[in-house]
Amino acid sequence: DAGVTQSPTHLIKTRGQQVTLRCSPISGHKSVSWYQQVLGQGPQFIFQYYEKEERGRGNFPDRFSARQFPNYSSELNVNALLLGDSALYLCASSLAWEETQYFGPGTRLLVL
Amino acid sequence: AQTVTQSQPEMSVQEAETVTLSCTYDTSENNYYLFWYKQPPSRQMILVIRQEAYKQQNATENRFSVNFQKAAKSFSLKISDSQLGDTAMYFCAFMKQADMRFGAGTRLTVKP
Repeated sequence: DAGVTQSPTHLIKTRGQQVTLRCSPISGHKSVSWYQQVLGQGPQFIFQYYEKEERGRGNFPDRFSARQFPNYSSELNVNALLLGDSALYLCASSLAWEETQYFGPGTRLLVL
Repeated sequence: AQTVTQSQPEMSVQEAETVTLSCTYDTSENNYYLFWYKQPPSRQMILVIRQEAYKQQNATENRFSVNFQKAAKSFSLKISDSQLGDTAMYFCAFMKQADMRFGAGTRLTVKP
């Protein structure tokens, strides 16, 4: 069975640009969560979506937004990129909103 | 807000020996979940073990076991018969509803 997939694997952007990251959950999983992992730190919770509705939001500015599609895949959008947005962005899926989360390989974003 | 503390930034162990990684957390909640995840270098986050707070019995998964002390808010991971493939960053995580909080991680090196 395929695990969580994310695209692209790597991305380079410049300050002020916008970026969209994509995530496909494990088949049958209806919840997707997004995390930001800065080098040398643990992941920080950004969003969780379950059944296409936002169920949780971490302490991130409004430049960060996300959505979940009818097939349960998800997109994370970041507007007006800052240098500090450079990080590994992790997506995790779970059967439901308070179930064990399984992570994808991440998208490494570099903002220049 | 929930916080997770891993007080050991780095640890090392000889192959075939046993090592224990520490984790403490702060919460006023009674029902929640705790996890240990492993992140090998440049690879994705892998679930090691999960513990439900309402269960008194400590979780075990093959060579991995936990010592869950709810009153002390402590959740340590014991790795028995350490293998070279256990070399990785280990993250302790606390989850309540949609929000999962991670510690800063412990870098474990298994030496031959």
